[in-house]
Amino acid sequence: EDKVVQSPLSLVVHEGDTVTLNCSYEVTNFRSLLWYKQEKKAPTFLFMLTSSGIEKKSGRLSSILDKKELSSILNITATQTGDSAIYLCAGASGGGTSYGKLTFGQGTILTVHP
Amino acid sequence: DTAVSQTPKYLVTQMGNDKSIKCEQNLGHDTMYWYKQDSKKFLKIMFSYNNKELIINETVPNRFSPKSPDKAHLNLHINSLELGDSAVYFCASSQVLGQPQHFGDGTRLSIL
Repeated sequence: EDKVVQSPLSLVVHEGDTVTLNCSYEVTNFRSLLWYKQEKKAPTFLFMLTSSGIEKKSGRLSSILDKKELSSILNITATQTGDSAIYLCAGASGGGTSYGKLTFGQGTILTVHP
Repeated sequence: DTAVSQTPKYLVTQMGNDKSIKCEQNLGHDTMYWYKQDSKKFLKIMFSYNNKELIINETVPNRFSPKSPDKAHLNLHINSLELGDSAVYFCASSQVLGQPQHFGDGTRLSIL
């Protein structure tokens, strides 16, 4: 069965800190790794990573995939209170009857204090 | 305009009842999904439809039946509701299979 594990499960920091969130995956016919941010309601898409070693960046957020280690990290620099959310990692399957299926991790709850 | 909209937002009902949740997307996407998020925040895929055709059907009790009248709509009907069905149900869509999914705001289902 496909599995995605995130760590830490929760993290409390102060504004201005830099955080690193971890994600490891075991996904059959792995195709890509996705990161989402979930505040009160809908998860919102952050990044999709398909190639190993190529960093994707959006403002203070960046992410990279390591296919050899079956893992990914999400970095947030100069954190702000608005970054407080659950960060979800998902592995996407690229083959067979499970094509496009996302397996989510349990999420990392990030709390940023002023 | 909301891209993926679900109704109702909240649903409180008793065990044994039958209920439906509706989902509509106005993004022109070909693929739609239903997820269940339990109390531990795990999001688990239930179904996906591509152009009205069932593609993914995870191990879900057959009390759950998705229906896609057209590619912009994917509804979820649940028969004989049980306590364990209490969760937040999310609808999502993507342009095609394998592309990033856009989620609705969820429907919180509570079974009394």
